[in-house]
Amino acid sequence: ETGVTQSPTHLIKTRGQQVTLRCSSQSGHNTVSWYQQALGQGPQFIFQYYREEENGRGNFPPRFSGLQFPNYSSELNVNALELDDSALYLCASSSGPRNTEAFFGQGTRLTVV
Amino acid sequence: QQQVKQSPQSLIVQKGGIPIINCAYENTAFDYFPWYQQFPGKGPALLIAIRPDVSEKKEGRFTISFNKSAKQFSLHIMDSQPGDSATYFCAAWGRYSGGGADGLTFGKGTHLIIQP
Repeated sequence: ETGVTQSPTHLIKTRGQQVTLRCSSQSGHNTVSWYQQALGQGPQFIFQYYREEENGRGNFPPRFSGLQFPNYSSELNVNALELDDSALYLCASSSGPRNTEAFFGQGTRLTVV
Repeated sequence: QQQVKQSPQSLIVQKGGIPIINCAYENTAFDYFPWYQQFPGKGPALLIAIRPDVSEKKEGRFTISFNKSAKQFSLHIMDSQPGDSATYFCAAWGRYSGGGADGLTFGKGTHLIIQP
C-alpha cells in the first residue's frame, strides 16, 4: 500500500452535474498531482498542488479545478460534467514538486451518464 | 502530442519467457524514466526506474535498458510468472510544456498476459 487514499472509489454522475473527488496524501508529502486515466490509456496530468497552491496544469479546461488543504490533502472538482469525463481519476503524492518518486492512490472511477 | 510512445499495446508470453516492452521519447529534457505496473481496479505502482546517465538497471526479475542516443528504453521481465499479468506503463519525468510543473508523461500502456 502506498499510503495514498482516495474517496469515493466509484461514482456515477449525470451530465451537467458537478463532482468532488478527494485524496489524502502519504504522511510527510506536501505535493499532490491529479491524473485522468481514460479506459485503455495512460494517465494524463491534470494539475499539481504544492503547499496549497496550484503549481502547474496540463491541457484540461478550467472546469477542472482543485484545492489543497493545510494537511496537504487535496480535492479535484469538475463542473458541468461531460460524458468524456468518464475515467479513473488518480492522485499521486510526493515529498516535493521536483521529487520524481510519486506514489499513486487506487483511484476514483467516475462514470458520467 | 504524445511525447512517450509505448509498444506493443498487448503481449502474451508463456510462463518463464522474457516479455520486452519498449518506449521511445522525444523530449531530451526528460531526466527520469520509471515503469509502473497496474492491476485492474488499482492505481499504478512504481516498479523500477532509471536515470539517463545509466544504461541498465536490474531489480530482481525486472531490468530496464536505456539508450540515450536513440531516446529509447525498455523493460525486460525475467522468468515471467502468471502473477506478472498486468498493464505496464512507461513514463518520463520532466517539465510539462506550458504547464509550469514537473511531472510524469505516460505511455499508453502494454497489457501483458503470462500464460501458465
